[in-house]
Amino acid sequence: SQTIHQWPATLVQPVGSPLSLECTVEGTSNPNLYWYRQAAGRGLQLLFYSVGIGQISSEVPQNLSASRPQDRQFILSSKKLLLSDSGFYLCAWKGPGSFSGNTIYFGEGSWLTVV
Amino acid sequence: GNSVTQMEGPVTLSEEAFLTINCTYTATGYPSLFWYVQYPGEGLQLLLKATKADDKGSNKGFEATYRKETTSFHLEKGSVQVSDSAVYFCALSPGGAGSYQLTFGKGTKLSVIP
Repeated sequence: SQTIHQWPATLVQPVGSPLSLECTVEGTSNPNLYWYRQAAGRGLQLLFYSVGIGQISSEVPQNLSASRPQDRQFILSSKKLLLSDSGFYLCAWKGPGSFSGNTIYFGEGSWLTVV
Repeated sequence: GNSVTQMEGPVTLSEEAFLTINCTYTATGYPSLFWYVQYPGEGLQLLLKATKADDKGSNKGFEATYRKETTSFHLEKGSVQVSDSAVYFCALSPGGAGSYQLTFGKGTKLSVIP
């Protein structure tokens, strides 16, 4: 069966520090991968998605970036965090094409607090 | 473009009450529709889905029917429990080339009191 893991689960970072959140998927090949952000009291915002290694699409311009160095690994980064980057970050995956019926599955989430 | 509108919360119900969370959508073509649930401090879990008109998704006592004529996918449960307290998200995935994306509603927070 397919599983998705992201880490760290919780982190507190000072303003201006770098960020790296990692996500891996097991049990599938060539998945579509996603990073979402959920700010306090707000809905889900799609940040990045990737349909293959090295292919990253950004939905929202910001000081965050994403990379996909391996087929099942997706990394969210920042060189200098802002207070407004605080939130709950969710990694997600979907099977390629029409596999899994367009269902997107989410990881456990990472709480980021920028202080 | 695609959009999802769901009723704003928070919704507070007593245990064993009937639940309805309204969701309507705007999309071209034939989208798939989903309900996700987020328990406190956790990620989102797929609750149920429907991929074509008149399909009924069901899970854990929750149901939702894909109504193309009213562009709706309302979530219902006949008797809620305290353990159902969570945030519920309605979402759609467009068919065809856009199927890699998911558009979410803003979420509805449900609190069930004993």
